[in-house]
Amino acid sequence: DAGITQSPRYKITETGRQVTLMCHQTWSHSYMFWYRQDLGHGLRLIYYSAAADITDKGEVPDGYVVSRSKTENFPLTLESATRSQTSVYFCASSQGLPLRELFFGEGSRLTVL
Amino acid sequence: AQSVTQLDSHVSVSEGTPVLLRCNYSSSYSPSLFWYVQHPNKGLQLLLKYTSAATLVKGINGFEAEFKKSETSFHLTKPSAHMSDAAEYFCVVAPSGSARQLTFGSGTQLTVLP
Repeated sequence: DAGITQSPRYKITETGRQVTLMCHQTWSHSYMFWYRQDLGHGLRLIYYSAAADITDKGEVPDGYVVSRSKTENFPLTLESATRSQTSVYFCASSQGLPLRELFFGEGSRLTVL
Repeated sequence: AQSVTQLDSHVSVSEGTPVLLRCNYSSSYSPSLFWYVQHPNKGLQLLLKYTSAATLVKGINGFEAEFKKSETSFHLTKPSAHMSDAAEYFCVVAPSGSARQLTFGSGTQLTVLP
């Protein structure tokens, strides 16, 4: 009963490097989401996916790339990390619309030096 | 367009006293409303949800919330705080047909004093 897992939990990188955050869910939920959490901003949606091979932008997509070749995986890539991308990133999943509950991973804390 | 406002960024209560965390929302449609809790270094966990059934919603760990359409509010309450309730709480509004428009409040940090 793994649920939804994120890796790595902690990552330190340098400006300009590429970073990929992984997200894996075991429920076969159709919807998956990436949020970032910053002080004073709550959670902001970066990208979401309604199904395999279907992704769409959220509120703050610039600088991020996602893919979803399999239902259970939804990796988030920072192609050239910037200091402003220092944040805690949460992956979440949901069965579908209407949204009844989002299930969250434990987060990935990313520091960009 | 929709928005959610958590009226207090920090709330401090003594153990055994009532908890009130306030949330106001605006939405063009009849929304679903949620409260999530986040303990330190953890993901968010659903406390309770309102989805146009009963206006008084009961959740886990003794929490409940009342949907008041006339006041556009969805305040979270608990009769008696426990030390383990110390966490951050998020009010969330979701239109029924859009995953993209799920909107989180900025959070309320609850401190429980012994």
